[in-house]
Amino acid sequence: RKEVEQDPGPFNVPEGATVAFNCTYSNSASQSFFWYRQDCRKEPKLLMSVYSSGNEDGRFTAQLNRASQYISLLIRDSKLSDSATYLCVVNSVSGGSNYKLTFGKGTLLTVNP
Amino acid sequence: GAGVSQTPSNKVTEKGKYVELRCDPISGHTALYWYRQSLGQGPEFLIYFQGTGAADDSGLPNDRFFAVRPEGSVSTLKIQRTERGDSAVYLCASSDRTGEASYNEQFFGPGTRLTVL
Repeated sequence: RKEVEQDPGPFNVPEGATVAFNCTYSNSASQSFFWYRQDCRKEPKLLMSVYSSGNEDGRFTAQLNRASQYISLLIRDSKLSDSATYLCVVNSVSGGSNYKLTFGKGTLLTVNP
Repeated sequence: GAGVSQTPSNKVTEKGKYVELRCDPISGHTALYWYRQSLGQGPEFLIYFQGTGAADDSGLPNDRFFAVRPEGSVSTLKIQRTERGDSAVYLCASSDRTGEASYNEQFFGPGTRLTVL
């Protein structure tokens, strides 16, 4: 089983739609959780961190369920500019340091006019 | 300020050749990471430097891969006897010093696209 698994996608949605991405992780020792965004042929960039209490940033809402080892990202009122690959990322403590990122394969989102 | 820079942006080489990929981290960042991203996959961890030393090289696939950071700033990823399977985008990231209790955001460079013919 892969350490981080995401919806395979791709997702094609019209502008204004709500879209949800799901992700599961296998390492129960994982400490920090993130969603990264990667535009075509560009580097990944941090979109938002994910907390157990859930967190929201404008149109984006992230949720974490530690018991189920499940992470989600919801995008409301999607825009053309949201088109990108969304990467679920988990960070595990290793050797006393909190640095090692494990990425999912990513889910491609295309928002259509 | 300036972000992470990587050179070259593209490298085409022949099977069996030696290549060097360079990473210039954000000024003042003591932690530096190399990842490899194959087509259709997420980035995979290769190696982590804290200062000049490789604190974790567990992600390097085999002994053809080696990385250095002699002065604690610029890093070079070296691949010997390249194989077609080494073709991928090699991403470098840097962050403030990592700690036990907190995660410091990793900022990625644009990557080097390596193609081995």
